[in-house]
Amino acid sequence: DTGVSQDPRHKITKRGQNVTFRCDPISEHNRLYWYRQTLGQGPEFLTYFQNEAQLEKSRLLSDRFSAERPKGSFSTLEIQRTEQGDSAMYLCASSPDTGYNQPQHFGDGTRLSIL
Amino acid sequence: GQQLNQSPQSMFIQEGEDVSMNCTSSSIFNTWLWYKQDPGEGPVLLIALYKAGELTSNGRLTAQFGITRKDSFLNISASIPSDVGIYFCAGTNAGKSTFGDGTTLTVKP
Repeated sequence: DTGVSQDPRHKITKRGQNVTFRCDPISEHNRLYWYRQTLGQGPEFLTYFQNEAQLEKSRLLSDRFSAERPKGSFSTLEIQRTEQGDSAMYLCASSPDTGYNQPQHFGDGTRLSIL
Repeated sequence: GQQLNQSPQSMFIQEGEDVSMNCTSSSIFNTWLWYKQDPGEGPVLLIALYKAGELTSNGRLTAQFGITRKDSFLNISASIPSDVGIYFCAGTNAGKSTFGDGTTLTVKP
């Protein structure tokens, strides 16, 4: 399977702990996106990368959130000092670098539950 | 910011019926996308629309990019039980996608 891969699929942690998620995009895709989705809503944009450069960050991405894509391949999303409101599905998507409006292909997400 | 209004919020239909759902926005988008999401999985791309007025089909699915670039609709013909799921529209500008809140489709056999 050569789709977008996310790890872990589920993460349960106590409030105040740090968590890190990983995303491996489709291999020939240079653009990588992070979204957050809560129950009953559509995905909300968090940030995106063109190769290793982080080009845009949403205001949803507080100082406790940081995303990296050090070699332009896989990406990590870290949440520090987790809060109850961070409970959500975190989705990663990728798209090819052939125009800004190429459709994004999603992974199956990491579901985060904060106790 | 940009927001999409997707309707209806939910639909309960009989197998074999046709379905129509739509998205409207106060903002113009360069691309409209339609995704389907099953429980516990990520959204799967169904149809991508790139030009105002474009009408595109994918099997039993047909979608159109509104002429004003502020709306799109998705039709599903002759629904089957595996069409059950949540359908999302998304408008894209400069690489960033804005999603509607979904239409939940239930198909009764």
